[in-house]
Amino acid sequence: GAGVSQSPRYKVAKRGQDVALRCDPISGHVSLFWYQQALGQGPEFLTYFQNEAQLDKSGLPSDRFFAERPEGSVSTLKIQRTQQEDSAVYLCASSLRDRGLGGNTIYFGEGSWLTVV
Amino acid sequence: AQTVTQSQPEMSVQEAETVTLSCTYDTSENNYYLFWYKQPPSRQMILVIRQEAYKQQNATENRFSVNFQKAAKSFSLKISDSQLGDTAMYFCAFMKHGGSQGNLIFGKGTKLSVKP
Repeated sequence: GAGVSQSPRYKVAKRGQDVALRCDPISGHVSLFWYQQALGQGPEFLTYFQNEAQLDKSGLPSDRFFAERPEGSVSTLKIQRTQQEDSAVYLCASSLRDRGLGGNTIYFGEGSWLTVV
Repeated sequence: AQTVTQSQPEMSVQEAETVTLSCTYDTSENNYYLFWYKQPPSRQMILVIRQEAYKQQNATENRFSVNFQKAAKSFSLKISDSQLGDTAMYFCAFMKHGGSQGNLIFGKGTKLSVKP
């Protein structure tokens, strides 16, 4: 597609419910990132994929967070047993090449707004 | 660890005037990239301008330019001839070159309002 697409755009979940957030990166992009942006804060890195391989998951806040990209394109971020502190915008981003090469441009989606009540 | 600090939570400017947004960062790295991103209410982060640390020349993109002071670890954004459409959150970001860490580290942002 023309840009990074995320769904759902808005999600309200009851505390304890599981949620799944989807990201469609720009076609052909090797690198895919997930970021979490709490209200009034800058985005914070969660995890990184190079094709289907999850090379960095150091930013995932707990074992309730899980991400996958099984075929190297679409990615899903899953949050189990949601808590109120999980309320945030979850941004997906992609870039054409490996993240360490040349500071290549990272393109962001519009995010999935998660509210846990 | 790298950190990015934006000391101005909010700024305002009159349409057609010039405004400068501040950013400082802390790193022990020598090779890295610095970015300014714009985030309108839609929440999509849009790249405004980027600077490679090894380049001494300040980056410029139309009305947007930076003042990169590597020794001082300062990276300010100047917006000339401000337009109403420039109203948004602006985030300064750092990215280490190469290695196993390539993710963006963001500051907390500056909310810019352009007034007619």
